[in-house]
Amino acid sequence: EAQVTQNPRYLITVTGKKLTVTCSQNMNHEYMSWYRQDPGLGLRQIYYSMNVEVTDKGDVPEGYKVSRKEKRNFPLILESPSPNQTSLYFCASRQVEGPEAFFGQGTRLTVV
Amino acid sequence: QKEVEQNSGPLSVPEGAIASLNCTYSDRVSQSFFWYRQYSGKSPELIMSIYSNGDKEDGRFTAQLNKASQYVSLLIRDSQPSDSATYLCAVLPVTRGFKTIFGAGTRLFVKA
Repeated sequence: EAQVTQNPRYLITVTGKKLTVTCSQNMNHEYMSWYRQDPGLGLRQIYYSMNVEVTDKGDVPEGYKVSRKEKRNFPLILESPSPNQTSLYFCASRQVEGPEAFFGQGTRLTVV
Repeated sequence: QKEVEQNSGPLSVPEGAIASLNCTYSDRVSQSFFWYRQYSGKSPELIMSIYSNGDKEDGRFTAQLNKASQYVSLLIRDSQPSDSATYLCAVLPVTRGFKTIFGAGTRLFVKA
């Protein structure tokens, strides 16, 4: 089954404690991205990757890092989380020229 | 001006009625347009894609595109309570590379 797997689904952490949200896809897609979703603001892109070792900033990259060492995996790293990073996060993958068609289940992150 | 604008709603319609959801976009040369349905706390689900002016029908859903007016809409015929969700409009502007731009979404309630 074609899918994007994100973990964890829920995470509560404290300010400054490094965390990683994992994302894996099984469709051999080149394009992967991370979004955050906040009420009234919709989905905003954090980072994206066009292929292995090729990553670039989206619209709201501050405070986040990503890596793309393998085609299937695209982890999101928060080196020093802050309360303003409390949000619902989605990983997505797709063909380069297609729509965002496959989303992970989402990670609800709370930073206290 | 936001790149993709939607009325946040909520839009409330009785069961069996036609729900009409609207979206405007700012990039005049955009070529690809999408509608997503998102249930509360869940990931977005792609329900319609449209690339040329006119109407595109898929079951109870009809997407309408008017590039001259920079306007795209989604009609849901015979609305059901299960259609109650947030509907996201998304655009793939040529000028933004392969980045998808999402609207903030319109909440739809279908009353039984």
